[in-house]
Amino acid sequence: AQSVTQLDSQVPVFEEAPVELRCNYSSSVSVYLFWYVQYPNQGLQLLLKYLSGSTLVKGINGFEAEFNKSQTSFHLRKPSVHISDTAEYFCAVSTSGYSTLTFGKGTMLLVSP
Amino acid sequence: DTGVSQDPRHKITKRGQNVTFRCDPISEHNRLYWYRQTLGQGPEFLTYFQNEAQLEKSRLLSDRFSAERPKGSFSTLEIQRTEQGDSAMYLCASSLAGSSGETQYFGPGTRLLVL
Repeated sequence: AQSVTQLDSQVPVFEEAPVELRCNYSSSVSVYLFWYVQYPNQGLQLLLKYLSGSTLVKGINGFEAEFNKSQTSFHLRKPSVHISDTAEYFCAVSTSGYSTLTFGKGTMLLVSP
Repeated sequence: DTGVSQDPRHKITKRGQNVTFRCDPISEHNRLYWYRQTLGQGPEFLTYFQNEAQLEKSRLLSDRFSAERPKGSFSTLEIQRTEQGDSAMYLCASSLAGSSGETQYFGPGTRLLVL
């Protein structure tokens, strides 16, 4: 079985500052990794995903994430955040042959002016 | 492409009543998933279908829960004899099977409050 740990429940940051949201996973087999964003009272929207190949993955809205197999991490970064990035961010994992997603508890990104 | 839709968006019910939620996936998607999300938690898997076949059910899915996808298109999730602990957001997602790391597209969710 796999698991996901999001180390920060809340990350406050000022507008135009850089941000990193941390995600660590545990799995005995190769994984696929995902970051989803959830705005208030809405469903989840895919930001980016890592399947294989280049460990740096670029997604929508200027976000990127880096897969680090040795540290079993998949941290999400953005060089300059906007007020509109305020939302909850979920890291998730699936594996080859098992498409169900296992999610972390989420990190609330709070961007203030 | 109209995306995944769910109905209703909100449901308030009294303990002991039955409720049914509907999910319409993206039309060409053959996989459909149900997740439950409680306050402060990430979504947790409940069950999924490939076409009309229910392939997996989580231990979270008690006997009071039943899901169907009769024609391989829309799906329903029914909760019988609701309990206060059933209060949560119920999310539906769909995907196209066959590709590695297939992307699941989520609907807006149905928020259930059991009084």
